[in-house]
Amino acid sequence: DAGVIQSPRHEVTEMGQEVTLRCKPISGHDYLFWYRQTMMRGLELLIYFNNNVPIDDSGMPEDRFSAKMPNASFSTLKIQPSEPRDSAVYFCASSFGYQPQHFGDGTRLSIL
Amino acid sequence: AQKITQTQPGMFVQEKEAVTLDCTYDTSDPSYGLFWYKQPSSGEMIFLIYQGSYDQQNATEGRYSLNFQKARKSANLVISASQLGDSAMYFCAMREGRNTDKLIFGTGTRLQVFP
Repeated sequence: DAGVIQSPRHEVTEMGQEVTLRCKPISGHDYLFWYRQTMMRGLELLIYFNNNVPIDDSGMPEDRFSAKMPNASFSTLKIQPSEPRDSAVYFCASSFGYQPQHFGDGTRLSIL
Repeated sequence: AQKITQTQPGMFVQEKEAVTLDCTYDTSDPSYGLFWYKQPSSGEMIFLIYQGSYDQQNATEGRYSLNFQKARKSANLVISASQLGDSAMYFCAMREGRNTDKLIFGTGTRLQVFP
């Protein structure tokens, strides 16, 4: 079975550019999560969706970050404009109900 | 106060020995779930084991077991018969309450298994 699929795996871009991270959850899962992992702050939840509806976006750092889930099989996390401090590994995870979350391989983002 | 505390930044264990990774948590909600994830150097997050607050028995999954001590608010991960491939970061996480699927993660413990 396919797991959570994230793209791209690596992204290097210049400050000020728009960045779009993509996620395909596991088929049948009704929850989708976006996390950010940095050395300084560890693993932190940015936002999560239930049945494509955003439930908690309190972890989204600022208005430069936005996330959408137009359907059950796709979600995006956008950063516009990007800044060097956004450099991190971004994970997408999905789950069914209260079952354990399954993570994608992450996107390693570097903003120069 | 930290919701999830992992006090061991790093641990070493010899191959084939058992090791315990500590995790304490803080919540006043009677309903919660505790999780352990493994992150190898390749970066992916791998779910290992889950313990619900109402579970009467400690969770086990193969070589992994969770030593759940509710009164002490601890949920330590025990890895038996360590293997070189167990070298990784290990994260403890908590889901707090019945009406959320939000996980709060600890800072992790880096485990190194040596021959």
